[in-house]
Amino acid sequence: DSGVTQTPKHLITATGQRVTLRCSPRSGDLSVYWYQQSLDQGLQFLIQYYNGEERAKGNILERFSAQQFPDLHSELNLSSLELGDSALYFCASSQEGEAAINEQFFGPGTRLTVL
Amino acid sequence: ILNVEQSPQSLHVQEGDSTNFTCSFPSSNFYALHWYRWETAKSPEALFVMTLNGDEKKKGRISATLNTKEGYSYLYIKGSQPEDSATYLCAFITRGSQGNLIFGKGTKLSVKP
Repeated sequence: DSGVTQTPKHLITATGQRVTLRCSPRSGDLSVYWYQQSLDQGLQFLIQYYNGEERAKGNILERFSAQQFPDLHSELNLSSLELGDSALYFCASSQEGEAAINEQFFGPGTRLTVL
Repeated sequence: ILNVEQSPQSLHVQEGDSTNFTCSFPSSNFYALHWYRWETAKSPEALFVMTLNGDEKKKGRISATLNTKEGYSYLYIKGSQPEDSATYLCAFITRGSQGNLIFGKGTKLSVKP
């Protein structure tokens, strides 16, 4: 158990809908990262927040947004969902904001299925 | 487009065998390399974070080396055990990329008892 929690574990929804994925980092970790893993793809970095502020942005679609709250939990919002958004979404956390040199602790993931 | 290549894609070994696999990455602007172990139905678990050319890191029977000049890292497992069965991911980050870890697709290791 990494100490990172994600809810829900599974989510099934329809195209065009909007969903929110939630992540609570390990106690004391200030950075939260979101990743997407689609079929046959490696883990794709989406976005990083550090202490409430956006720190780095990867291949995140405009239909997706995220935020980190004062209690450091984070939410990833996915809107106008398409079939291709079906994937495993991971949240990870690290103590500091420097992604390069800090190991990241991954949550169990949320499996999103868009029908 | 920056790319990380891992080889082989999959590997089947017998218990007790030692094995190694490769992670290749662009050598320019290198900043750090991460290795993760990902067991089926679990989440990725950090093994090593490596930053310096010539770095060697070890955790139990698993070790890794880094060559930033030629753009590769090796992961070694000595005396493989069935519980080592997992997908091993490497991810690298370039200087100035602000946290964008680029992951390879992994090497899937199966260790038969």
